[in-house]
Amino acid sequence: RKEVEQDPGPFNVPEGATVAFNCTYSNSASQSFFWYRQDCRKEPKLLMSVYSSGNEDGRFTAQLNRASQYISLLIRDSKLSDSATYLCVVKMNYGGSQGNLIFGKGTKLSVKP
Amino acid sequence: DTEVTQTPKHLVMGMTNKKSLKCEQHMGHRAMYWYKQKAKKPPELMFVYSYEKLSINESVPSRFSPECPNSSLLNLHLHALQPEDSALYLCASSKGRVSTDTQYFGPGTRLTVL
Repeated sequence: RKEVEQDPGPFNVPEGATVAFNCTYSNSASQSFFWYRQDCRKEPKLLMSVYSSGNEDGRFTAQLNRASQYISLLIRDSKLSDSATYLCVVKMNYGGSQGNLIFGKGTKLSVKP
Repeated sequence: DTEVTQTPKHLVMGMTNKKSLKCEQHMGHRAMYWYKQKAKKPPELMFVYSYEKLSINESVPSRFSPECPNSSLLNLHLHALQPEDSALYLCASSKGRVSTDTQYFGPGTRLTVL
């Protein structure tokens, strides 16, 4: 089983749509969780950290369910500029892997006019 | 200023060449990372430096040789590469290596090996 699994998409949605991405992770020792965004041929950029209590940043809402080992990202009122690949990222906090990022394969989002 | 810079942006090299990739940050971060990313794949960790000491080498071939001259700089020396080494090479840094520290990525060097 892969450590971090995401639906690769692509998700093709019209502007203004609400879209949800899901991610599961296999290692229950995972400590920190993030969503990164990567535009074509660019570097990953941190979109938001994910907390157990859930967190919101404008149109973006992230949720974490530790019991189910499940992370989600909700984007409301999609904009053309949201088109990118969204990477679910998990960080370990033990042993030799401390601090290492484990990336999912990414979910591609394409927002159409 | 959350900026990690990398040079060069693009690099084309032959299999017999020796070249170096450079990464710099001035955020006072003490952990720096090299990742390799192939097209349509997520980044894969290559090396981690923590307080200028190599702490992780993810079984990377010896034709890749990292160097951390000081806390702001990270180099990746390349020698006798293969065409399959063509990829985007990303540098990242973080305050330290605790789980809550965010990693910030540089823009990457796009490497083509002929």
